[in-house]
Order: sequence, then C-alpha cells, then structure tokens
Amino acid sequence: EAQVTQNPRYLITVTGKKLTVTCSQNMNHEYMSWYRQDPGLGLRQIYYSMNVEVTDKGDVPEGYKVSRKEKRNFPLILESPSPNQTSLYFCASGSPEGRGYTFGSGTRLTVV
Amino acid sequence: DAKTTQPPSMDCAEGRAANLPCNHSTISGNEYVYWYRQIHSQGPQYIIHGLKNNETNEMASLIITEDRKSSTLILPHATLRDTAVYYCIVRAGGTSYGKLTFGQGTILTVHP
Repeated sequence: EAQVTQNPRYLITVTGKKLTVTCSQNMNHEYMSWYRQDPGLGLRQIYYSMNVEVTDKGDVPEGYKVSRKEKRNFPLILESPSPNQTSLYFCASGSPEGRGYTFGSGTRLTVV
Repeated sequence: DAKTTQPPSMDCAEGRAANLPCNHSTISGNEYVYWYRQIHSQGPQYIIHGLKNNETNEMASLIITEDRKSSTLILPHATLRDTAVYYCIVRAGGTSYGKLTFGQGTILTVHP
C-alpha cells in the first residue's frame, strides 16, 4: 500500500532533550515536506526537500533540522525542544507530475 | 504562490451537492489549483487539482472560471463523512513545487 509512515504517533518529552521524528514513503517520490498544525494557525510548512541532499526552509523552520540522505526518508530533528514546539506534525510526499501530496497520519508532540 | 480566499464555514444537507468556492484573483499562468480536505486531526487528503480546464474524478469536480481567478469544488452527493475542513491551494509547478502554503480553509458541515 502506498503510504507515508511517521513514527512515533505520540510523544511526550522534556525541554531540551533531543528527539527525532521519522518519516518514510514507499512511492519513490522526489518531494517530501514537514508541517506543523496548531489551533488557529492552520498548517504551516517547516522544511521541504525536492530531492536527495536538497532541502529548503518553509515558513517556520526555526528550532528544527532535517536531512535527506536517501529518497524514502526525511527525518525531522528537534535538537533542543521547547514547549512552543508542542504541536501536531505531518510529513508529506509527492512528485511534480503526480496527483498531489500524500500525508502521513501525524505525530502529536508534547514538550513539557 | 498566489493567495486564496475561502469562506470560513458552510453547511450542506446530506445527499445534496456541496459547492465550495475559492477566490485566487492573483493566480499566475503556471499555477495550479489544488484542493485538499482534513477530517478531524487526520493528515490532509488530496481531492483534485487543475490548471485551466474543469476536472472530475471519483471524489469531486473542479470548476475553474475562464479567467482562472476563482474556482469551485463540487461534491455531487455530500455524505456525513464529507464533514471536514477543505483547503484550496494555489501552487506553482517546476522548481517552486516544494513550497506549499495552506490557508484557513472552509469548514464544511454536512447535516442529516
């Protein structure tokens, strides 16, 4: 089944403890991206990648890192999480000639 | 990417057609119109997209005006499961493919 898989689905962590949210897609898509969703602010793009080793900042990149060492994976790294990064995170993948982006099921992160 | 304007909320009776408008008056020639929807806190789901011509698929129809400044998403026979937030997005192709901005969307409520 074609899908975007995020792990974990839920995560509670403490301020300053580095964490990684993984994202993997099995559709051979060139494009991958991370979004966060907060009440009243909608979906905001954090980073995106057009292909392996190519990443660009979205609208809210501060406090996040990404890497794209292989086509199928696009992990989101929070080096020193803070409470304002408590949010619902979505990973997405797509291709320019495709039908649009496929989103993962989301990761609900709480930083205390 | 061009900005889009959608009504914040709409209602529709079950079994009737739901017509969701979107204004994108600053759209440029190479920009596509995409529609997604998000049910509760699930990942957004692709519905349909188009450039100039009207499009139809198994989920919906997309009507784009001749001047391309507005469009309408039509769900021909709305069901209760179509209750969701619907996002209209304008996105360029080519090297700008990766940058994707979601607005606030339209909350569609389908009632019995």
